[in-house]
Amino acid sequence: ETGVTQTPRHLVMGMTNKKSLKCEQHLGHNAMYWYKQSAKKPLELMFVYSLEERVENNSVPSRFSPECPNSSHLFLHLHTLQPEDSALYLCASSQEISGFGVTDTQYFGPGTRLTVL
Amino acid sequence: AQKVTQAQTEISVVEKEDVTLDCVYETRDTTYYLFWYKQPPSGELVFLIRRNSFDEQNEISGRYSWNFQKSTSSFNFTITASQVVDSAVYFCALSEEGAGNNRKLIWGLGTSLAVNP
Repeated sequence: ETGVTQTPRHLVMGMTNKKSLKCEQHLGHNAMYWYKQSAKKPLELMFVYSLEERVENNSVPSRFSPECPNSSHLFLHLHTLQPEDSALYLCASSQEISGFGVTDTQYFGPGTRLTVL
Repeated sequence: AQKVTQAQTEISVVEKEDVTLDCVYETRDTTYYLFWYKQPPSGELVFLIRRNSFDEQNEISGRYSWNFQKSTSSFNFTITASQVVDSAVYFCALSEEGAGNNRKLIWGLGTSLAVNP
């Protein structure tokens, strides 16, 4: 596997289900991100992990719960979602150089298309 | 506040035409980065270019070229002799200082490019 992979690619779930999205990066990066992409809206940053610590959480509802067990893996646990949570969920990774304010390029996975019924 | 504007929502061209995608940004940072990404129908965001605010040289990569004009806060993207495979949504993004020296990206809404045979 190369780059950033995401599973599943498509997910349909009811509002009472619990499911998890998985992301894995094979680039040796130290930062990982979850984004939500909805039609007609800018890409929304949900969570950022740097060196396995959450450094940013953009007021995301608690029904979304991230987990970063190591620098290569990122999960997004979903429970009691709403239909408006239907979207494309994208994972990305980058190599951040802390202390220098330098950003490196974010590389994205193919996304999980989530539909909440 | 920092903002990225992609005024063209949709563009349709015929194959072999040249096409320019506009990106205008607003920032108070003196050091910032600008990016272009391509999102084909498969969903994955593909990195195209990163430019830092101190480098105003134009860049050419094959049929792609980028024109960075700091004076007008623009970072436009031109595809020469467009091909059907160029059909995608193109996003411009600006980095800004986030938490813990980790920068985050501010995204435009994207321009949907359709190249017709």
